[in-house]
Amino acid sequence: DSGVTQTPKHLITATGQRVTLRCSPRSGDLSVYWYQQSLDQGLQFLIQYYNGEERAKGNILERFSAQQFPDLHSELNLSSLELGDSALYFCASSATLLGQGKMNTEAFFGQGTRLTVV
Amino acid sequence: GIQVEQSPPDLILQEGANSTLRCNFSDSVNNLQWFHQNPWGQLINLFYIPSGTKQNGRLSATTVATERYSLLYISSSQTTDSGVYFCAVDNSNSGYALNFGKGTSLLVTP
Repeated sequence: DSGVTQTPKHLITATGQRVTLRCSPRSGDLSVYWYQQSLDQGLQFLIQYYNGEERAKGNILERFSAQQFPDLHSELNLSSLELGDSALYFCASSATLLGQGKMNTEAFFGQGTRLTVV
Repeated sequence: GIQVEQSPPDLILQEGANSTLRCNFSDSVNNLQWFHQNPWGQLINLFYIPSGTKQNGRLSATTVATERYSLLYISSSQTTDSGVYFCAVDNSNSGYALNFGKGTSLLVTP
């Protein structure tokens, strides 16, 4: 168990719909990352939040958005869904403060949410 | 962004054989991790190894940061080692977001 919790595990929805994926990071981790894994694109970084603020953006579509809440959990919102959005969506967390200005940057991944758009 | 190349892309081994997987990267890194994605899709941490050598049971890894490559060694392979092995790296330009290689797909046969 990585300590990163993602819900739901599976999601089936129709084209044009909107879904929300949820992630609870490991205790103490300040950063949350979202990744998309599809057969043709591999593991693609979407977006990163650090302590509630957006830190970095990758290949995230405008139809997708995310946020990190004060309790550090994060949500990824996918709207106007298309067939091509079907993929495994991972959340990862890292950035545990070790004290004396040091930080552990090892990333741990949740089990993923398998999204199927029909 | 930083490029990550893994080789070989596919590998078939008989149980008990040894193997070496390679990861080349295009820039200096803050972090390098090896993951195993099992047939159920879970990404399991194997090593956090931006430099040096580590061992964990039948697995070991070495990263030579100055030459921008890392190696993952699997000894006495078992059928449960099957799956995809990913190398992922980050540097300060990516805000610590990992960039993944395309992976090495390993099948260990009985």
